[in-house]
Amino acid sequence: DAGITQSPRHKVTETGTPVTLRCHQTENHRYMYWYRQDPGHGLRLIHYSYGVKDTDKGEVSDGYSVSRSKTEDFLLTLESATSSQTSVYFCAISESAGQVSTVQYFGPGTRLTVT
Amino acid sequence: GNSVTQMEGPVTLSEEAFLTINCTYTATGYPSLFWYVQYPGEGLQLLLKATKADDKGSNKGFEATYRKETTSFHLEKGSVQVSDSAVYFCALRHNAGNMLTFGGGTRLMVKP
Repeated sequence: DAGITQSPRHKVTETGTPVTLRCHQTENHRYMYWYRQDPGHGLRLIHYSYGVKDTDKGEVSDGYSVSRSKTEDFLLTLESATSSQTSVYFCAISESAGQVSTVQYFGPGTRLTVT
Repeated sequence: GNSVTQMEGPVTLSEEAFLTINCTYTATGYPSLFWYVQYPGEGLQLLLKATKADDKGSNKGFEATYRKETTSFHLEKGSVQVSDSAVYFCALRHNAGNMLTFGGGTRLMVKP
């Protein structure tokens, strides 16, 4: 299994509060991703990173920001959580991107509930 | 844009039954195709992949063939086990891009 951990694994927070989720990898992979999983939608990309301090938006980036100050850590922040952000959040990593051989490996997920 | 459509679940089978989970896609060019599996309480694991037309991906008794003419990547297994109970996701990725596009997932329940 790829060395990916996410913290916290479960969180309940109130509407309007800031929340930060952490993804930590021990594989030294260059690319890291944040997805959210919602029933009927599969997983949708929020943001991704292609290196330290290099990030870009995904399909559903509104209301989220990310930061990557070290290769091994990728943080997802909800500046002011809303009930629509209740979801399961998955981090993924890949060694490469844009190549036929590229494969993304996923972490165990964080279940976030916004009340 | 890209999209992936999977059959809705849940799919309920008896042990040793034959499994097919349908997946079709819409994309320009020649994407790579993937099946991921999510066991209860866990993250997604790559099950198999195919990177060009007519490729067959296989792993743990599961198979899927990249059919460009029908834009499909159906997942099959000849004899399912209780331990195969999970949610299965079909996904595509353009080889020039980073983003995976997922189907909605299909829950498989296998009964003894």
